[in-house]
This record gives sequence, C-alpha cells and structure tokens, in this order.
Amino acid sequence: QKEVEQNSGPLSVPEGAIASLNCTYSDRGSQSFFWYRQYSGKSPELIMFIYSNGDKEDGRFTAQLNKASQYVSLLIRDSQPSDSATYLCAALGTSYGKLTFGQGTILTVHP
Amino acid sequence: GAVVSQHPSRVICKSGTSVKIECRSLDFQATTMFWYRQFPKQSLMLMATSNEGSKATYEQGVEKDKFLINHASLTLSTLTVTSAHPEDSSFYICSATYRGGYTFGSGTRLTVV
Repeated sequence: QKEVEQNSGPLSVPEGAIASLNCTYSDRGSQSFFWYRQYSGKSPELIMFIYSNGDKEDGRFTAQLNKASQYVSLLIRDSQPSDSATYLCAALGTSYGKLTFGQGTILTVHP
Repeated sequence: GAVVSQHPSRVICKSGTSVKIECRSLDFQATTMFWYRQFPKQSLMLMATSNEGSKATYEQGVEKDKFLINHASLTLSTLTVTSAHPEDSSFYICSATYRGGYTFGSGTRLTVV
C-alpha cells in the first residue's frame, strides 16, 4: 500500500517561532509533493509544491525534499496565530495523477 | 486562477434518499476530476477518478453503485450518493487538475439523518 505518513501532532508553537512539519512517503515513484493547509470545515488550500531535491522557499514557507530518504518537510517561519490549521502532505504517484494524502498535522500557534 | 465551484455546501437528507453533489470548473476545462471523502479528524481519502466522457475509476472498497459519478462535460462532474445512510455522513470534496496543480472545490458537508 502506498502511504504518506505525517507526525500527527498536535504541534504547538509560540507566535514568531518556526514550525516544522514532517512527512514520509513509501512510493519511490512519487514525483511531486504538495503541502496544503486546511481550516476546520473548509477544503484544502495549496501552500506550495516541490519536485526537486533540496529546498524551495516561498515567503515564510520553506519546503524541503529528500528523495533518497523519502522525506518531505515544511518549515513555517515567524508563525502567526492565523497559521493554526491542519497541514496535509500529499504525494503525486504514478497512477493517473492521483494524490495520496497524509493524515495531517494539527498546528496551533499561540500568542 | 482556476476555480472549482462545488454545490451544495451543506445538505441534510433522510436515510434512504439520494443526494447529488455538483462540481463545476468555472474558467477552465477539467478533463479529470477527483472525488474525496473526509471523515472528522481524518485525512482526505480518494473515492474515485472521474474522466469526461468515460466511466469513473473507483478506489478499492468504494461501492460504484452507491456513489454514482457522471462527468458528462468538460466543466461538470457530479457525485450522487444513492440510498444514503447515516454512515455516509461526511465531507465530500472534488478536485480538478489544472496546469500541473490541483484545485479543490469548497466541499459539501453531507448529514444523513
């Protein structure tokens, strides 16, 4: 079974700190990886995607990919209370463009 | 940007009835749409892949006769939950591919009473 695993948390960080979210995947054929943020009762919002080894930065967010270790992470710098949400990691496999989601990590940023 | 409009946002139905959920791509053509289900405090689980003009492909364990998917045009895919039961109560979300990314509908909260 092709899986995506996340540390389920909940993760709690103070405002202004760095939040680190981790994800591993089992399908070595996965090519692209996505991080989504989901607020309660809402659909997921794309934060960023990454498909090359290394780091990719977008504002306060940095995604890191290590294909050899089958590991993806998301760093959120200067965390804000509005960042409090569930963060979903997803991997794009080789089958017909299907995304496989992790179980999500609940992040709480407290003032 | 690409927008997928999903309706209704909330629906309550009686056990044994059917409910139709619609997803429309507003400013692009969606050859493929994906339907997900999300139970409380759980992640998104792919139910089926919907392709315009052909039969949907269902994931293992998803009853195709219960969850009817129709993708009759490049901008509209529908999911019909037939003979709904309380255990079908969930958050249903559609998604379409667009320029290598994925755009999600706003979701439908189905409650079967």
